[in-house]
Amino acid sequence: EAGVTQFPSHSVIEKGQTVTLRCDPISGHDNLYWYRRVMGKEIKFLLHFVKESKQDESGMPNNRFLAERTGGTYSTLKVQPAELEDSGVYFCASSRDYPTGELFFGEGSRLTVL
Amino acid sequence: DAKTTQPPSMDCAEGRAANLPCNHSTISGNEYVYWYRQIHSQGPQYIIHGLKNNETNEMASLIITEDRKSSTLILPHATLRDTAVYYCIVGAGGTSYGKLTFGQGTILTVHP
Repeated sequence: EAGVTQFPSHSVIEKGQTVTLRCDPISGHDNLYWYRRVMGKEIKFLLHFVKESKQDESGMPNNRFLAERTGGTYSTLKVQPAELEDSGVYFCASSRDYPTGELFFGEGSRLTVL
Repeated sequence: DAKTTQPPSMDCAEGRAANLPCNHSTISGNEYVYWYRQIHSQGPQYIIHGLKNNETNEMASLIITEDRKSSTLILPHATLRDTAVYYCIVGAGGTSYGKLTFGQGTILTVHP
């Protein structure tokens, strides 16, 4: 069974540019999550999809971040325009249904904004 | 979600048991205790979780005190590959179970 895959593994962009990160969850996992760790900080929850719907987006830092999950399969996280403080590692995770269980994390996409 | 307290670092000899403590004195009745770890710069990896009873799987054992205010993760025979940051997380079940609040964790170093 393929794990959670994320693209790109590393992206370097200039401040003000746009970057789109992609996450392919494990097949059959309805739940998809985005997390991030910015420099020196803890891993933070960004949002949660159930299929194509946003269940919880309380962790999204501001409106420069847009997450989508069209068709309930893969998800994208777009940062537009990117700022220096957006640099960090963005993790995607997926899981099966409730009530509890494990999250399967991808290897992360490292974003460097110059 | 309840806050957890973990020691910042611990050492363990290879082949010995690693016992990682966690305090979660404000845990509520419907909250679970989850353990994840992050090896180097990889994505977090699930280890185990529990509500009230002790749990064991192929990776570890989780011992939760009767009052649920603390727990211990036990790696029975630590190897060098178990060197990682270990996170104790308290969170709800149901629709919010994937919304994890990571703290600083415990850096476990397994030495030969």
